[in-house]
Amino acid sequence: DIQMTQSPSSLSASVGDRVSITCRASQSISDSLNWYQHKPGKAPKLLIHAASYLQSGVPSRFSGSRSGTDFTLTISSLQPEDFATYYCQETYSRRTFGQGTRVEVK
Amino acid sequence: QVQLVQSGAEVKRTGSSVKVSCKASGGTFGSSTISWVRQAPGHGLEWMGGITPIFGTTDFAQKFLARVTLSTDESKSTVYMELSSLRSDDTAVYYCAREFVFRGVIGFDYWGRGTLVTVSS
Repeated sequence: DIQMTQSPSSLSASVGDRVSITCRASQSISDSLNWYQHKPGKAPKLLIHAASYLQSGVPSRFSGSRSGTDFTLTISSLQPEDFATYYCQETYSRRTFGQGTRVEVK
Repeated sequence: QVQLVQSGAEVKRTGSSVKVSCKASGGTFGSSTISWVRQAPGHGLEWMGGITPIFGTTDFAQKFLARVTLSTDESKSTVYMELSSLRSDDTAVYYCAREFVFRGVIGFDYWGRGTLVTVSS
């Protein structure tokens, strides 16, 4: 099975900061990588699809990129509503999620 | 607008089974795969498996292959997930999610609000 290694597991940031989260696949998954935001008590929300496509309605401060088997989610200017846990997910073979990155208030 | 409405919270004994439902509305039921994802307390999201109602085909994560049954009732536009031989570490929030395909890549665009299953002895 494909393994997804997400880092960091948590980070502390302030409003306005630029934040980056990475996910590395254990083998090639082409662009079959999605990013989700998850807040307590809510359903996960799809942010980025196919590595770099912004889901409809998602603010443009979110972006995704790929370099080989490394994928990055970037929040250009962190907003108060962005404090949450973020997950990557590969859908090349199974539907495996990364371990998650908790974005906390600094 | 697609909506996935899940059944209510359950409390179960270890060794028993639980069946959670996910009713779809606002879309074309049957042609989209519905996946199940769970989150145990203090843990991340974990994909369990999925079913495509129109074909009745299923796919499972290896971990759940022996204990999860997925089924559908097309007359009710509902998908069911049954987890058997429950253990305390099955205590989790269980989500259903609709799969969609864009540029050949599968994603989960609509989600249910989750069903809390608590397993105790």
